[in-house]
Formats: sequence, structure tokens, C-alpha cells
Amino acid sequence: KAGVTQTPRYLIKTRGQQVTLSCSPISGHRSVSWYQQTPGQGLQFLFEYFSETQRNKGNFPGRFSGRQFSNSRSEMNVSTLELGDSALYLCASSSQGEVGYGYTFGSGTRLTVV
Amino acid sequence: DQQVKQNSPSLSVQEGRISILNCDYTNSMFDYFLWYKKYPAEGPTFLISISSIKDKNEDGRFTVFLNKSAKHLSLHIVPSQPGDSAVYFCAAPVTSGGSYIPTFGRGTSLIVHP
Repeated sequence: KAGVTQTPRYLIKTRGQQVTLSCSPISGHRSVSWYQQTPGQGLQFLFEYFSETQRNKGNFPGRFSGRQFSNSRSEMNVSTLELGDSALYLCASSSQGEVGYGYTFGSGTRLTVV
Repeated sequence: DQQVKQNSPSLSVQEGRISILNCDYTNSMFDYFLWYKKYPAEGPTFLISISSIKDKNEDGRFTVFLNKSAKHLSLHIVPSQPGDSAVYFCAAPVTSGGSYIPTFGRGTSLIVHP
């Protein structure tokens, strides 16, 4: 079956702009989580959506937001971009929010803010 | 405050030898631990897990050891192969809102030399 698809793979934006990233989960998966990966901080949890509702939220400012559609596809948005937002953004999907074998990551979107 | 710590950013090992990756945690409520492996330009993939009721779990060349009293776990790879060169993340999930949200360490970059 198809894996988790993230688009675009690479993105360059200017400070102050906003950006929207997309994540299509594995078919049948209803939970989608987003992570930010930076060299110094590792993987940091942004938020989780389940059945179109934000179920969990990490410790990020309100400039980071997301949503989930009825087909479980999810988008995350970052407004007023800062240089420090440059990172690899990963999403992961699972059936119900479990981890381990059932928790599959996409390849990520590399965002560079200049 | 990092609840899962990987204090060695990198490790270099000769092919055929043992690789030992370490992970410490601070939250004594953690009862399940996972290791993920990540190649460049790909998302992390689940490698192996261990429940706190065990002190060892083995899967082929990969063995994870858990020392609850020391709040320490380690991943052993024997024998190491060049294809094992990747970043390894230790993670512990916390339950929240019906989901398991993994808290990740910052990762250890393993390089296996031929």
C-alpha cells in the first residue's frame, strides 16, 4: 500500500511569509501527527489530528497551525516565517494514534527560510 | 526539558563490530520505549521496541536492553554493517487524548566503516 506522502519535498520562503505543507496519510489511517526536526533539537512534536479534530498539541507558538480534512489528509501552516523555522517537517500517520509498527512517517518537507 | 536524552551525537564503528547506542530518560512513568532509524532524505522508520516489564528484546542483529533502575536503555547492533549508517532516535510515548505521542531524543548518528 502507498506510504505517507508529503508535499512539497523542498521549499524556500522569505522571512515574514507564510507556508502551507501537506501530508497524505496511509489509506485508512485517521491520526496524523506533525514534527519539526532541527539539528540541535531532534524531533519535536507539533500537533496531532484525529478525525478532523486537533487531539494533541506540542509547545509551539500560535504561528504554527494545522487542520485535517474528511479524507484524513492534513495540512500545517506557518505564518510570519522566521529564520529559525528552517527545518525538516515530518508527518506521521497511524490508525488510531498508536506507535511502533503502525506509526509511519513521510519523507518530510525541507523548509528553508531566507 | 528533555525527558529522553541521547548524549552522544555521533558514533563511528568498524564493519563487523558491535555498535552500542545509548539513551537515558528522566520520567519514571515511561513504560514503553522505541528506537527509530532515519536515513537522509527519508522519514524515520520503526526499528525495535521494549516494554518496561522486560529488560531485553531482540530482533535479528538488533537488541535493546532496558535498565529501569538507571533509567537507561541501549541499542546493540551486532554485527554492524555499512547499511546501518543512519541517525538513530530513542523515543518514549506518553499517552494523551487517546493517542501515544512519542517523545524523541536528539538522535545519534552512526557511521559504520567498511
